[in-house]
Amino acid sequence: AQRVTQPEKLLSVFKGAPVELKCNYSYSGSPELFWYVQYSRQRLQLLLRHISRESIKGFTADLNKGETSFHLKKPFAQEEDSAMYYCASVVGSNYKLTFGKGTLLTVNP
Amino acid sequence: DAGVTQSPTHLIKTRGQQVTLRCSPKSGHDTVSWYQQALGQGPQFIFQYYEEEERQRGNFPDRFSGHQFPNYSSELNVNALLLGDSALYLCASSFWGGYGYTFGSGTRLTVV
Repeated sequence: AQRVTQPEKLLSVFKGAPVELKCNYSYSGSPELFWYVQYSRQRLQLLLRHISRESIKGFTADLNKGETSFHLKKPFAQEEDSAMYYCASVVGSNYKLTFGKGTLLTVNP
Repeated sequence: DAGVTQSPTHLIKTRGQQVTLRCSPKSGHDTVSWYQQALGQGPQFIFQYYEEEERQRGNFPDRFSGHQFPNYSSELNVNALLLGDSALYLCASSFWGGYGYTFGSGTRLTVV
């Protein structure tokens, strides 16, 4: 079964510092990978998807098949980036999302 | 567009009771998926409905069942509630075969 691991439950950085949220997946094939974000009192929303190769709100994520990782990065964190971040994968044509447990990012002023 | 609408927002039930949660998908979406999110965990897939049929199911017992109506809205039913069923239940809608999931705000179920 596919598994998504986010090793950090909590991550705290200062404003302007770089941030990296780690995500590893277990599937050896070619999964679709996503980062979802949940801001305080808001619903879960898609931040970015690896296949689109976009940069959303300054965040990027690169798929590393060798390390089976999909880490989320931002060079200069902002206070409004404080939120819960979930990494998720979809394998094959089953279209069901498998989520990690999430990382709570706090950006301090 | 209201996006995905879930009702009720909060619910308290007693062990052994049955509960029904409701979801209206985003306009234009035809597929509804349900997720359970326990405290401190990521969402876990329960099942997915398309064309009024359950298309996929996660690792949940038969006490969890669902339905999709011709207007694409959906219900999640849980029978014989256990304390461990206490969680946030999320509904996500999408186009069939697509990855653009839109999530609702969820229903917070507390079983006492």
